[in-house]
Amino acid sequence: DGGITQSPKYLFRKEGQNVTLSCEQNLNHDAMYWYRQDPGQGLRLIYYSQIVNDFQKGDIAEGYSVSREKKESFPLTVTSAQKNPTAFYLCASSISPYSKGRTSGSNQPQHFGDGTRLSIL
Amino acid sequence: GENVEQHPSTLSVQEGDSAVIKCTYSDSASNYFPWYKQELGKRPQLIIDIRSNVGEKKDQRIAVTLNKTAKHFSLHITETQPEDSAVYFCAASKDTGNQFYFGTGTSLTVIP
Repeated sequence: DGGITQSPKYLFRKEGQNVTLSCEQNLNHDAMYWYRQDPGQGLRLIYYSQIVNDFQKGDIAEGYSVSREKKESFPLTVTSAQKNPTAFYLCASSISPYSKGRTSGSNQPQHFGDGTRLSIL
Repeated sequence: GENVEQHPSTLSVQEGDSAVIKCTYSDSASNYFPWYKQELGKRPQLIIDIRSNVGEKKDQRIAVTLNKTAKHFSLHITETQPEDSAVYFCAASKDTGNQFYFGTGTSLTVIP
């Protein structure tokens, strides 16, 4: 899905450093998500946002922060409080079932970016 | 919250055979179940999905079945080809919150 761009593709973090992963979409989707992927553990939800200026914690939010100042952008900051940040991070977006004109009961599939692989130096 | 379990974790089949991957979920309110295919180093791609108001959906060699009573759904791939080799993820979601809960993935290898 060329409509979601994650950068950088590879990122290295020094101990005690905060790093920010970028996610931009031009699909006009209201909902955006951040997942962490570790081997053998599938995708775990870090944060998600249904609308601009609003976001909710997922299952593993500790040590991470996000912002949603624009519809197109949902950056993820991995803070120094995240002691085991080495993982593959995936951003996704979808049409919200609560977007204007939609009715409930119509969850839409997520579209993913190419991911960012974060490692510790 | 929702708990999605996926089996098997690895699966090897001969080219031309069928492959079946099964997922169970815990929240009876879940009503949307997508399946994603992820090739090595690439993004997950939606391959098929099913909503709780239907029991089966087909798209060429791929089909998904849903048993709401038993709370399980399965992916069926027929006439497998080497390019079907990838990791497959199931997911479940419901209207409230629009969160998706993913299985742990199945690594499928199709042997030529």
